[in-house]
This record gives sequence, structure tokens and C-alpha cells, in this order.
Amino acid sequence: SQTIHQWPATLVQPVGSPLSLECTVEGTSNPNLYWYRQAAGRGLQLLFYSVGIGQISSEVPQNLSASRPQDRQFILSSKKLLLSDSGFYLCAWSGWDGNYGYTFGSGTRLTVV
Amino acid sequence: AQTVTQSQPEMSVQEAETVTLSCTYDTSESDYYLFWYKQPPSRQMILVIRQEAYKQQNATENRFSVNFQKAAKSFSLKISDSQLGDAAMYFCAYVRGNEKLTFGTGTRLTIIP
Repeated sequence: SQTIHQWPATLVQPVGSPLSLECTVEGTSNPNLYWYRQAAGRGLQLLFYSVGIGQISSEVPQNLSASRPQDRQFILSSKKLLLSDSGFYLCAWSGWDGNYGYTFGSGTRLTVV
Repeated sequence: AQTVTQSQPEMSVQEAETVTLSCTYDTSESDYYLFWYKQPPSRQMILVIRQEAYKQQNATENRFSVNFQKAAKSFSLKISDSQLGDAAMYFCAYVRGNEKLTFGTGTRLTIIP
């Protein structure tokens, strides 16, 4: 069965520091991968999605970037964090697991101080 | 553009009773997928149930079932025999193929012991 791993679970970073969040998927090949952000008490906002290695689409211009160096690996990065980057970040994959599925990782709570 | 509406910001139900969360959506497409996700305080997005639009039969998963009315563009979630662990935010979501999910604003469900 397909599983999605996301780490770290919690991260506290100072303003201006770099960021790297990683997401990997197991049990499937060529998944569509997504990064979402959820501010406290709000809905989910799509940040990036990828349909294949090296193929990244950005939904919202911002201080963040994404990369997909391998088929089942999706990385969210920033060179210099801003206070406004604080939030809850969720990785997701979509594809077929017998039925069409859209599954989320466990999330990363990022606090920029 | 697709929109998803959850008209009940908050709901409460007595433990062991049944509760129904409403969701309506707007789309001009005929082939799509609908999901209900549960987000507990841990903030992980957990898939509760999914429905393919081309299937007339309502999906069921143990105590969770949906009432899918395609013509009315309605997708309600029924939780039977409510348990304390069902307390969470519930999000209805729409997607067409491997595209981004469109979420409703969520319904906060409280279980009264």
C-alpha cells in the first residue's frame, strides 16, 4: 500500500534562516505531489505541485520554492525565512491505489521567530 | 471555477447519536471525485471517505456514509454512533483528476459525552 512520509514534524527557525522540508512517497510510481500550507484556523492553500521529476508548478508567488529530485521525493525550501512563513505545511500525493486517492502526510508545524 | 460550500461552521452531537454534515459544490464537469477529510487537533488531514462522481452508489466506510446527489451537487457526510474520537474539523473537498483539491471552509464537530 502507498504511504507518505513527511518530516520534521515540528520546526522552529529564526527569521532569515534557510528551510528544507522533505516528503517521500512509497508504494507508487510517478505520483502527482503537492505542498499545501494551512494558517491557523484557515483552510488549505496550494503552494506547489509536481507531475514528474523536475516539473514544478507554483500556485502562489512567495518566498518558498520546491524541487523534485527523484520520482517519489518532494522538497520545500526557502533561502531566507520570513515571519509570515509560519504555518502548518502538508505534503500530499494523488494517484490510483485501487481507487483514486488524494492522501496527505502528517504535516510540519513551522514557527519562524 | 469550482467551489465547495460547507454551510455549518460548527456542529455538535451527543455521543452514540447520528450527525450529518452538509456540503455543496459547483462544477460544470461530469467526472470528478469528492472527499471528506477529518482534521483532529494534531492537524493531520485524514481521509474519511471518497466518492467517484460516475458511481451512483453512495460510499460507506464503517460508521461513515455519504449521501451523494449529483444533480443537486450535494455531498453530505453521515456519522453514525458518534464517538469522542470523531471530534475534529471536517473538510469536504472536490477534485477533477490530478488537479488541486478545492476545499470547503470546514465544519467543527463537537461530541458531547
